[in-house]
Parts: sequence; C-alpha cells; structure tokens
Amino acid sequence: AQTVTQSQPEMSVQEAETVTLSCTYDTSESDYYLFWYKQPPSRQMILVIRQEAYKQQNATENRFSVNFQKAAKSFSLKISDSQLGDAAMYFCAYRGNAGNMLTFGGGTRLMVKP
Amino acid sequence: GAGVSQTPSNKVTEKGKYVELRCDPISGHTALYWYRQSLGQGPEFLIYFQGTGAADDSGLPNDRFFAVRPEGSVSTLKIQRTERGDSAVYLCASSLGASATYEQYFGPGTRLTVT
Repeated sequence: AQTVTQSQPEMSVQEAETVTLSCTYDTSESDYYLFWYKQPPSRQMILVIRQEAYKQQNATENRFSVNFQKAAKSFSLKISDSQLGDAAMYFCAYRGNAGNMLTFGGGTRLMVKP
Repeated sequence: GAGVSQTPSNKVTEKGKYVELRCDPISGHTALYWYRQSLGQGPEFLIYFQGTGAADDSGLPNDRFFAVRPEGSVSTLKIQRTERGDSAVYLCASSLGASATYEQYFGPGTRLTVT
C-alpha cells in the first residue's frame, strides 16, 4: 500500500518570503501522480499543483513550484512571495495510475506572518 | 459553473442514530468519491463510484457504512448505528472520468458530530 508522510505539522513564514513544505511517499509503482492540495478553514480542498511521475521537469504554477525527486520519493512544495491568503492546511497526495483514490499525508499547517 | 455541493454542512446526531449525507457532483462528472477526514488528519478514501456502480468500496470501515448513487449523479452516504468514532468531516469529490488525468474537485464537506 502507498503511504504519504508530511513531517512538518506546522510551518511559519513571513509575508513575501519563501517557504518549503516537505513530503515523502512510499510506493512500488513506477507510474503515478503527486499533488499538493490547500485546505482553508472553509474545508474545501483546492488543488495547488500536480506532478506526473514520468515527467522529469518540476511542475510550476505561478508562485508555487515543486521539487520532485523520484529516486528519493520526495515531493516538496515551494511557495514564493508568500501572501496572507496562503495561510491554510496543505496536504500532499498520491494517486497511482491504475488506482482511483487519492492517498493523503497528515498535512502541514502554514501560518503567514504580516 | 456550480461546484460540488454537500448537505447538510453540519450534522449533530446521537450515538446509535442513522444519518444520511448528500453529495451533488459537478454536472457531467461520471466519477464520484467519498473521503473521511478525522480531526487533525488527512482525508482517507471511503468509496468510489463510476456512474451508478460502486467501483471500489475498499475504504468503507465496516458494514454500518453504505453509499448509493442510483442515477449516476447525486450520491448519499448512509451511516447506521452511529458511534462517537464516526465524528469527522465527510468530503465528496467528483471528476470527469476515472482516469488519473482528471482532477478531483472537492465539496466543502459535511461535519458530522456524534454525541
């Protein structure tokens, strides 16, 4: 079974600074997808960024980028120019190419200080 | 367009009671997922529908939990003889199809509290 681990329960960043959230996963599959979701207090999970395992290039979405290290099974999220609206829970998630469900990590609470 | 909606937003029930949680997926989405998120944890998969049929119910914790999607659109998660350990946020998600290339869109969840 696949597992996803987020070792940082909480992180704090100064507004306009950069922060990196860590995620590691365990799988025996060679083809899969990785995601970062944001969950604000409204509870609605919002997709931030996705990475296909077969792509060597790291995904980027505006201020959000990932560092995908397939051999190390590591998938970190970098948020540049942090904004107050970035404060939320962030979840790393895995999906196998053959499976349907998402497997989530335990989450990291990000606080942004003005 | 409208996103995934879930009703009720919050539900408080007594131990031993029966509850139904409803999910309205995005129109045209054939795949529908239920997840459970306990306090301080990430969501855990419960069940997945492709059309009207439950394609994967391996995440349902026991036979007190059951879900239906009779017309391939709205889904209802049913919990019998509720226990305090069932207290959690129940999230529903839908996607255009089953392929991993399709994004899962989540609803705001139903917070269930069993007293």
